[in-house]
Amino acid sequence: DTEVTQTPKHLVMGMTNKKSLKCEQHMGHRAMYWYKQKAKKPPELMFVYSYEKLSINESVPSRFSPECPNSSLLNLHLHALQPEDSALYLCASSLRPGRTEAFFGQGTRLTVV
Amino acid sequence: SQQGEEDPQALSIQEGENATMNCSYKTSINNLQWYRQNSGRGLVHLILIRSNEREKHSGRLRVTLDTSKKSSSLLITASRAADTASYFCATDDSGGGADGLTFGKGTHLIIQP
Repeated sequence: DTEVTQTPKHLVMGMTNKKSLKCEQHMGHRAMYWYKQKAKKPPELMFVYSYEKLSINESVPSRFSPECPNSSLLNLHLHALQPEDSALYLCASSLRPGRTEAFFGQGTRLTVV
Repeated sequence: SQQGEEDPQALSIQEGENATMNCSYKTSINNLQWYRQNSGRGLVHLILIRSNEREKHSGRLRVTLDTSKKSSSLLITASRAADTASYFCATDDSGGGADGLTFGKGTHLIIQP
């Protein structure tokens, strides 16, 4: 199994809603990542989990809250988002932090209304 | 922060021709990777070249790395319509800081049948 699975594929939420994005991998990877990608732009790193511990928070607003319940799962909790947060949210994993290829999920297309 | 800068930003060629994309980066790296992204979907890893390597081949792909110029190129030979996608270079941080990848702006490649 060489897949990173993200759910849902599409999400529309209001600015007062709370929702969660989910990511799962069963490759035994010990690093997992959240990236945000706006249209026609490259992905930008949001969070890194290394061995289930948050190691990087790239100054992301607190309305985004990551969680890593175990080595296979990664969540991104969303609360009080703004329309400018509409983007493609990509989850990725790699065998170990930093130096190896990353496997990406298909992303969640988020629209904030 | 973005590190890699792709050149050109867009490239349109005829099927069967070769496509060359360039990437420049700013800081020291451990390795440089190239990824492909089909429209609005997840990224797919293509090839990784380490900082002590100068050239690497994988099928129709040829990657070069010049660490003295902080630049890399991706050559796709005998292009096919299915190669139409956006291509991103990505670097890690050899300084031991971020464990995630920093992506360049990307080249949008269109293969005309």
